[in-house]
Amino acid sequence: SQKIEQNSEALNIQEGKTATLTCNYTNYSPAYLQWYRQDPGRGPVFLLLIRENEKEKRKERLKVTFDTTLKQSLFHITASQPADSATYLCASANDYKLSFGAGTTVTVRA
Amino acid sequence: SAVISQKPSRDICQRGTSLTIQCQVDSQVTMMFWYRQQPGQSLTLIATANQGSEATYESGFVIDKFPISRPNLTFSTLTVSNMSPEDSSIYLCSVESGDNEQFFGPGTRLTVL
Repeated sequence: SQKIEQNSEALNIQEGKTATLTCNYTNYSPAYLQWYRQDPGRGPVFLLLIRENEKEKRKERLKVTFDTTLKQSLFHITASQPADSATYLCASANDYKLSFGAGTTVTVRA
Repeated sequence: SAVISQKPSRDICQRGTSLTIQCQVDSQVTMMFWYRQQPGQSLTLIATANQGSEATYESGFVIDKFPISRPNLTFSTLTVSNMSPEDSSIYLCSVESGDNEQFFGPGTRLTVL
C-alpha cells in the first residue's frame, strides 16, 4: 500500500541554524509533494509544492527538494527563528486527495 | 486563496448523540474535503464532497456514520453520528485552490464523553 512517512517526530534546534526534515514515500510515485505548517489548535497552512520534475524549490527561508530516485523530499528552514516552531507535515496527492505524513514538530530555541 | 470558517470550533458531546459540523468558504469551490485528526496523529481523509453529487468516502469511513451534505458551492456539513469516545478528534474541512494547494479551516475539536 502507499505510504508516506516522516522520520522524526521532533526536532530541536538553536536559533539561526538550519532545520532539515525528511519525508519518504513507498509503493507509489506521486506527481508532487506538498509541505504544510500546523500550529497547535489550528488547521494546516500550505507552504510549498514541488513536482516530480523539479529538483528544488525555494520560498524565502524555506527550501524543498524532491529526489525521485531516493523517493524522498527534504524540507529545510534556514536561519531558523523561534517563530518557526510548529509541526510540519508533508503530503502527497492522488486526484486532489491528500495523504499526510505523521508530522515533525520543530522547536527553535532562542 | 480561500478563507474557511467552521462551526462549532469545539464541542463536548455525550455518547450516542450526533453533531453536525458546518464549513463555509468565502468563494465558490468545486471540491471540499473532510479530514479527521485524532489526538497526537496526522490528518486522515474522511471523504470528498462535490456539489451536486454524493460524497465519496475513503476506506474505513461510511455514510451512515459520517453523512455529508454539499448544498452549494460555498458550504458543506459533516455529521458525526451515534458518537463514541473513539470519535474524539479534530475535524477539518479543506478546499482545493485549483493550483493543487489546499486551504484548511481552523478545525472543530470534538470530545465525546
